[in-house]
Amino acid sequence: GAGVSQSPSNKVTEKGKDVELRCDPISGHTALYWYRQSLGQGLEFLIYFQGNSAPDKSGLPSDRFSAERTGGSVSTLTIQRTQQEDSAVYLCASSLVFPADTEAFFGQGTRLTVV
Amino acid sequence: DAKTTQPPSMDCAEGRAANLPCNHSTISGNEYVYWYRQIHSQGPQYIIHGLKNNETNEMASLIITEDRKSSTLILPHATLRDTAVYYCIVRVRTSGTYKYIFGTGTRLKVLA
Repeated sequence: GAGVSQSPSNKVTEKGKDVELRCDPISGHTALYWYRQSLGQGLEFLIYFQGNSAPDKSGLPSDRFSAERTGGSVSTLTIQRTQQEDSAVYLCASSLVFPADTEAFFGQGTRLTVV
Repeated sequence: DAKTTQPPSMDCAEGRAANLPCNHSTISGNEYVYWYRQIHSQGPQYIIHGLKNNETNEMASLIITEDRKSSTLILPHATLRDTAVYYCIVRVRTSGTYKYIFGTGTRLKVLA
């Protein structure tokens, strides 16, 4: 596709369930980023991938969060045992190279609601 | 980590220049300043970035102070479609890796 694609666009899940969010970056982009935006808050950086490697996972909010990337392309962000405070829009971005001295392109996000 | 501070909101008359300030007083070394904006419900859109020199592109100008502790994003002729939240971002190098630290953003409302 022409842009960064995220799925699902909306996800409603029950507290305690696991969810998996998917990001398809722009083809050929080696760097991939995950962000979170809670209601009324700014963007919170979670993790980035350079190829399939995530050098720094300290931005993940808790050990219930994990992310992986395979084949230097698709990435999944997994949240285990979801809590209500996990409700947010999860944004993915990619850039041609890392670090991005040019722009990173963002997807439309996945709106996660934990009930 | 470097932190950015932005005013929470600003109004600007249509056709006038919108000047959005950002303080990043703890910025250091080779840390870049980026600006993105987010129009309601959409993903953040890249506007401009810079390191030391002022930058200009088709969307905006970025003025960085000589001490690099603050910057201003200028939209030269604001239109109603420029109504959005504008994020000032510092890319920080820490422990051999990079983080993009977003400020809380300025909600710009362009008034007809």
